[in-house]
Amino acid sequence: GAGVSQSPSNKVTEKGKDVELRCDPISGHTALYWYRQRLGQGLEFLIYFQGNSAPDKSGLPSDRFSAERTGESVSTLTIQRTQQEDSAVYLCASSSRQGPSYEQYFGPGTRLTVT
Amino acid sequence: KQEVTQIPAALSVPEGENLVLNCSFTDSAIYNLQWFRQDPGKGLTSLLLIQSSQREQTSGRLNASLDKSSGRSTLYIAASQPGDSATYLCAVRGNQGGKLIFGQGTELSVKP
Repeated sequence: GAGVSQSPSNKVTEKGKDVELRCDPISGHTALYWYRQRLGQGLEFLIYFQGNSAPDKSGLPSDRFSAERTGESVSTLTIQRTQQEDSAVYLCASSSRQGPSYEQYFGPGTRLTVT
Repeated sequence: KQEVTQIPAALSVPEGENLVLNCSFTDSAIYNLQWFRQDPGKGLTSLLLIQSSQREQTSGRLNASLDKSSGRSTLYIAASQPGDSATYLCAVRGNQGGKLIFGQGTELSVKP
């Protein structure tokens, strides 16, 4: 079946503008995760949704970052008043609760450049 | 706080060699450990997942081991090929939540 998809694949925005990034998880996956990868750095956890539970927002770097998820489907990550340090690849992953593994499957990412 | 370290940061080998990538983590209370591959400009591809109760997992030329008590995992690649060139990432999932904590990766180059 289809994997995790993300849009747009690339986004260039001016400092101070708001951006929305979209993630479509694998159908039936109840868990959805956002990570970011800044140039030359490792992947950082941002936020995690699991079904109807309250999301784990512990990785969001500032209150300019927020995310929503509609049921067990699409999620959007919103960055308000973008700054140059927000430039990164934003990766989305999903996993299923069926079976013990919770293996995470990643999308191709959205490359965000803030000028 | 969990920290994941990967050694070496970069590795260059001739085609056909067997090689080992290392991953260490500071908190042994993990749920599972995943090895990923990342090609330049691409997302992550899951290679192997080891549950905390397991000692190793194998897929084709890849073998991953886990020693939870010592906080170590290794990824063994047999008979390396130029197509194996990529960055290899190790990540652990804790017992208290779903997020993965990643290492910085090992950049592998296999020369023909």
